[in-house]
Amino acid sequence: GAVVSQHPSRVICKSGTSVKIECRSLDFQATTMFWYRQFPKQSLMLMATSNEGSKATYEQGVEKDKFLINHASLTLSTLTVTSAHPEDSSFYICSARAGRGKETQYFGPGTRLLVL
Amino acid sequence: GNSVTQMEGPVTLSEEAFLTINCTYTATGYPSLFWYVQYPGEGLQLLLKATKADDKGSNKGFEATYRKETTSFHLEKGSVQVSDSAVYFCALETGGGNKLTFGTGTQLKVEL
Repeated sequence: GAVVSQHPSRVICKSGTSVKIECRSLDFQATTMFWYRQFPKQSLMLMATSNEGSKATYEQGVEKDKFLINHASLTLSTLTVTSAHPEDSSFYICSARAGRGKETQYFGPGTRLLVL
Repeated sequence: GNSVTQMEGPVTLSEEAFLTINCTYTATGYPSLFWYVQYPGEGLQLLLKATKADDKGSNKGFEATYRKETTSFHLEKGSVQVSDSAVYFCALETGGGNKLTFGTGTQLKVEL
């Protein structure tokens, strides 16, 4: 099956710093990528949808200036958590899809962010 | 809005036991329903899906039937193995296929 990677797998940073998380589709071109956030014992919450070459569409309640998403190529999307605070500590998961229709989403293994 | 409710875990079973993980949903329109599985250290993988009422999704011995009358999509397997230990997520998708709504996940532990 298709493979999606994320880097780093976990990161610890100080409050006020910015953190960049990469999501790569390794063996297919991802027209659409999704970013999710998961709190302990809670479901994955969609943060934003990004299509290659266009601005990301953010879900209601997600601050676009806080969570910067760049989908500059068909194999790479990045999520930058700007001026991170402890409440941003979470598990961030990306997924990628080859088309814009009902094709299967392929998920990355997730990135654990801890803000001190 | 859309929501998915699944049973809390962890669910601990002995090998070869019968598995049921309950999932019910609330959705506008006619959703497609999914079960995803996440093995330790890996990303979510699609396990099975059903796109309309009375459809049965199946894969690797797992089955789930789309029950519109009870708004349910319970996951079943007749005989679990230790290798089935993972977290299982029920999810739905409506509209143009853009957004998945997930349940909270159910951890399954299978012991010898």
